[in-house]
Amino acid sequence: GQNIDQPTEMTATEGAIVQINCTYQTSGFNGLFWYQQHAGEAPTFLSYNVLDGLEEKGRFSSFLSRSKGYSYLLLKELQMKDSASYLCAGLDSNYQLIWGAGTKLIIKP
Amino acid sequence: IAGITQAPTSQILAAGRRMTLRCTQDMRHNAMYWYRQDLGLGLRLIHYSNTAGTTGKGEVPDGYSVSRANTDDFPLTLASAVPSQTSVYFCASGEVAGANTGELFFGEGSRLTVL
Repeated sequence: GQNIDQPTEMTATEGAIVQINCTYQTSGFNGLFWYQQHAGEAPTFLSYNVLDGLEEKGRFSSFLSRSKGYSYLLLKELQMKDSASYLCAGLDSNYQLIWGAGTKLIIKP
Repeated sequence: IAGITQAPTSQILAAGRRMTLRCTQDMRHNAMYWYRQDLGLGLRLIHYSNTAGTTGKGEVPDGYSVSRANTDDFPLTLASAVPSQTSVYFCASGEVAGANTGELFFGEGSRLTVL
């Protein structure tokens, strides 16, 4: 079966660094996405990885290891506005997205 | 305005009633999707359309139908609503994966309560 696993909730301190992990099992693999979703709002695209390695985009970076079926999202210099849910999604061989339940990130001052 | 628009944003509905959620995009994306989002669960795909005139079933299609008469519109219909269809519904659009990163653009969501 296809599955995406990520922690339900994490807490971090403003100004710190946090790493949100995601493991995936998909039928075939065409990439791994991270989306951000603030409470009561729509998901918005953060990153896409299809090759192994780290993709950096400002304060956010995303890492992929295809051999391990593993990805993480790294958020640096945390700000209060980063409090949100972070959704991991794998793109399978049929180009359909398989979504994790999301990780709720709570930022404390 | 550019983007993807859903209506209504919120609706309370009696069980057994018929309801259509509307979705319109002006980005000329080929693919459109309907998801439902429930607490503790990931986004679950209801139906999708890779291009105008074609539709496909997702993970949880029962009780829902869609049509794709043109590129811009992708309505979702609940023929006879049941309480288990209480959820937040998101419409999304994007290029068919393979053309680019497959990034999806989401509407603001429709919160539906079936009593």
